[in-house]
Amino acid sequence: AQSVAQPEDQVNVAEGNPLTVKCTYSVSGNPYLFWYVQYPNRGLQFLLKYITGDNLVKGSYGFEAEFNKSQTSFHLKKPSALVSDSALYFCAVRAHYGGATNKLIFGTGTLLAVQP
Amino acid sequence: DSGVTQTPKHLITATGQRVTLRCSPRSGDLSVYWYQQSLDQGLQFLIQYYNGEERAKGNILERFSAQQFPDLHSELNLSSLELGDSALYFCASSVAAERTDTQYFGPGTRLTVL
Repeated sequence: AQSVAQPEDQVNVAEGNPLTVKCTYSVSGNPYLFWYVQYPNRGLQFLLKYITGDNLVKGSYGFEAEFNKSQTSFHLKKPSALVSDSALYFCAVRAHYGGATNKLIFGTGTLLAVQP
Repeated sequence: DSGVTQTPKHLITATGQRVTLRCSPRSGDLSVYWYQQSLDQGLQFLIQYYNGEERAKGNILERFSAQQFPDLHSELNLSSLELGDSALYFCASSVAAERTDTQYFGPGTRLTVL
């Protein structure tokens, strides 16, 4: 079965420091991986996705993520955190094949808190 | 703003009642997805429609149903509501039904069942 794990419920980082939000996945075959961000009382906003090709994916608002097939990970990173980055971050996976559905399987979310 | 609209933003109702949630996809998108977000279950896929046809079903209860109309907007109908149905319901849309497609989410409808 497909699954996504976000091992940290919360990540705390000081403004200006680099941040990492961790994600590992389990899926049969090649994965398609996504990161979304949710601000309070808002919907999910798409940040970036990995489909194929370069393992380092660049996305919105200065975020990037690195796909590591051997470690089945897709960690979200940003070189310099902003207070405005504080939000709930979701990792999601979709299998490359296996049935008609292309639903997204979401992790439980990681709350990022950036202190001034 | 993703371009996906959902109405209403908030809905408060009583147990046993029926409600309808509405979603308009981004212009040009043919697929619509419904998700439920709750504290205990997290984000769960409910159902997908593609160009008016049901494409995939997830953990959707029999009391729930959905449809996609010729103008591509979608409605999620929830009936015989229970306290546990209180959640945030999201609609998402994508251009087609490919696994590589990005799903863009609406702002959600917060349903409170009293």
